Amino acid sequence: AQTVTQSQPEMSVQEAETVTLSCTYDTSESDYYLFWYKQPPSRQMILVIRQEAYKQQNATENRFSVNFQKAAKSFSLKISDSQLGDAAMYFCALMEYGNKLVFGAGTILRVKS
Amino acid sequence: DVKVTQSSRYLVKRTGEKVFLECVQDMDHENMFWYRQDPGLGLRLIYFSYDVKMKEKGDIPEGYSVSREKKERFSLILESASTNQTSMYLCASSLLEGRGSYGYTFGSGTRLTVV
Repeated sequence: AQTVTQSQPEMSVQEAETVTLSCTYDTSESDYYLFWYKQPPSRQMILVIRQEAYKQQNATENRFSVNFQKAAKSFSLKISDSQLGDAAMYFCALMEYGNKLVFGAGTILRVKS
Repeated sequence: DVKVTQSSRYLVKRTGEKVFLECVQDMDHENMFWYRQDPGLGLRLIYFSYDVKMKEKGDIPEGYSVSREKKERFSLILESASTNQTSMYLCASSLLEGRGSYGYTFGSGTRLTVV
């Protein structure tokens, strides 16, 4: 069965600094997709970044980038130049065949000014 | 702007009541999903649907049922609400498999309290 583990319940970062959120997963498939979602206090889930497992190149979206280690089944999110608006719950998620997303427990990110 | 709309942001219901949570999407998506979100557990899949009148159980379907009579609407039903169903409920939609790998579009959630 596919599982996603986020081992950091909470993280803090100083404004303008860099923070990395960890995620590991387990799957028996070779072809799958990985996602990071952000959930601010408004509760609206927002897609931050997406990675296709068959692509070795790490995905990047502006200040957000991932470190995808397929052999280690690791998918961490790096946020550079952190801003107050980055404060949210972040979820790592895995999609295999069948379009179902499996989520981790989430990491609360606090940004200090 | 494309949307997934959940009919209620907050609901308070009594134990034993039949509860309907409604979700409507305007993106012509084939897939629709219901998750519940609990602290420390993340999002867990209750039910999903790939097409009208089709439904599949997710990981935690007990105590729930669903209805999809129209493509754009997916309803979650709590047949007899219990206090352990107090939670945040999130609806989502996506394109068919292959195209759906671009992820889901989520509603803004319904926080249900059963007293």
